[in-house]
Amino acid sequence: EAGVTQSPTHLIKTRGQQATLRCSPISGHTSVYWYQQALGLGLQFLLWYDEGEERNRGNFPPRFSGRQFPNYSSELNVNALELEDSALYLCASSFRDRGPGQPQHFGDGTRLSIL
Amino acid sequence: AQTVTQSQPEMSVQEAETVTLSCTYDTSESNYYLFWYKQPPSRQMILVIRQEAYKQQNATENRFSVNFQKAAKSFSLKISDSQLGDTAMYFCAFLLEGAQKLVFGQGTRLTINP
Repeated sequence: EAGVTQSPTHLIKTRGQQATLRCSPISGHTSVYWYQQALGLGLQFLLWYDEGEERNRGNFPPRFSGRQFPNYSSELNVNALELEDSALYLCASSFRDRGPGQPQHFGDGTRLSIL
Repeated sequence: AQTVTQSQPEMSVQEAETVTLSCTYDTSESNYYLFWYKQPPSRQMILVIRQEAYKQQNATENRFSVNFQKAAKSFSLKISDSQLGDTAMYFCAFLLEGAQKLVFGQGTRLTINP
């Protein structure tokens, strides 16, 4: 069974540009989560999507946005990139319909570097 | 708000030894779940073990076990017979039922020496 896949592996942008990160969940998972792992700041929750809807959002500005497609894959968009957006962005997926507390399974991440 | 604290930034042990990683958390809720994840240098976050707060029995997965003390809000991870492949960052994480967002500790960098 394929795990969570993310693309690209590494993305280099300059300040002010826009970045798009992609994620495909494990087959059968309907919930997709995005986390930011920045140096010195640890892992921070960004967004949760389920059944195409944004269900929860972390403490990030509106220039961080995303969407979930009918096949449950997801995109994270970051507009007006700033230097402090440089981080590893991790996507995770889980079941939603198998009871509470389902573990989240992570992909390998996309390393976003802002020059 | 929930917080997770890992008080050991780094640990180092010899292969085959037993090591315990500490984690404490703060919440006023009663329905939640706790996890340990490992992140090797390859950077993929891998689920190690899961504990349901309403279960008194400590979770175990092969060489990995937890000591869950709900009243003390403590959730430590014990790795028995440690192996070189256990070298990784270990993160303790809290999941509030219904919220679906994991709250992570700062991590403990564990090195297993040959």
